[in-house]
Amino acid sequence: TQLLEQSPQFLSIQEGENLTVYCNSSSVFSSLQWYRQEPGEGPVLLVTVVTGGEVKKLKRLTFQFGDARKDSSLHITAAQPGDTGLYLCAGETGNQFYFGTGTSLTVIP
Amino acid sequence: DTGVSQNPRHKITKRGQNVTFRCDPISEHNRLYWYRQTLGQGPEFLTYFQNEAQLEKSRLLSDRFSAERPKGSFSTLEIQRTEQGDSAMYLCASSQTAFYGYTFGSGTRLTVV
Repeated sequence: TQLLEQSPQFLSIQEGENLTVYCNSSSVFSSLQWYRQEPGEGPVLLVTVVTGGEVKKLKRLTFQFGDARKDSSLHITAAQPGDTGLYLCAGETGNQFYFGTGTSLTVIP
Repeated sequence: DTGVSQNPRHKITKRGQNVTFRCDPISEHNRLYWYRQTLGQGPEFLTYFQNEAQLEKSRLLSDRFSAERPKGSFSTLEIQRTEQGDSAMYLCASSQTAFYGYTFGSGTRLTVV
C-alpha cells in the first residue's frame, strides 16, 4: 500500500517551461521531504518542510506543504535539462519516511 | 567522510544462491535504513537500525532476508535462496535524526537470473 501518491507519473517538457508536481496522501505527516534521483544513483535530499502551509524556495524550485500536512507540491520555474530526474516525496511517520510513487521528469533542450 | 558507501554496486546471481550486501554509513549517523526500489518506483522500506538495534522490519522482509549491524557501524543485508522477484536496487541510507533526512548510498543493483 502506497501512502503517498504523486502526479503526474511522467512529465516531458521543453526547456524554459514551468511545471508542478503533486504529492498527496490521506495521512498526516510530521514532516515531508523532496528528493531527486538520477539513474543508477541514490536519491538526494532537496528540502524538508515541517509546518503546515510552509513554503520553501531553492533557486528555481518552490516547495509547499499543505495546511493539513497531508500533501505537498513542487513547482519548477524555467526548467532546464539539468532538472531531469525522478522526483520523490517522502513523508515522515514514526521513525521512518514513506516514499511516494515518484514523478519522472524529462526536460528537452 | 565520503558519505554512505555500498558494495557491491552490481550483483548478478543465479536463482537459489545467497547474496550479501554491505553498507558503510556516515560515521556520526546512528540511524541506518535499508530500502528496496524497482524501476520507476519509489523506495520501499525494508528495515531500520538505531545503533546496533534493529528497531523496525517491514512485512516485505521475508524469512529469506536478514540484516545486521554489529557494533552499530556498517550493516549487511543477506538474501538467501534468491528468487527472480528479488531483482531490484537495494538502497542504504543513514541519518542523525529523521528530521534532517537521509543520506543515501548509490545502491546495489541485484539481478537474479
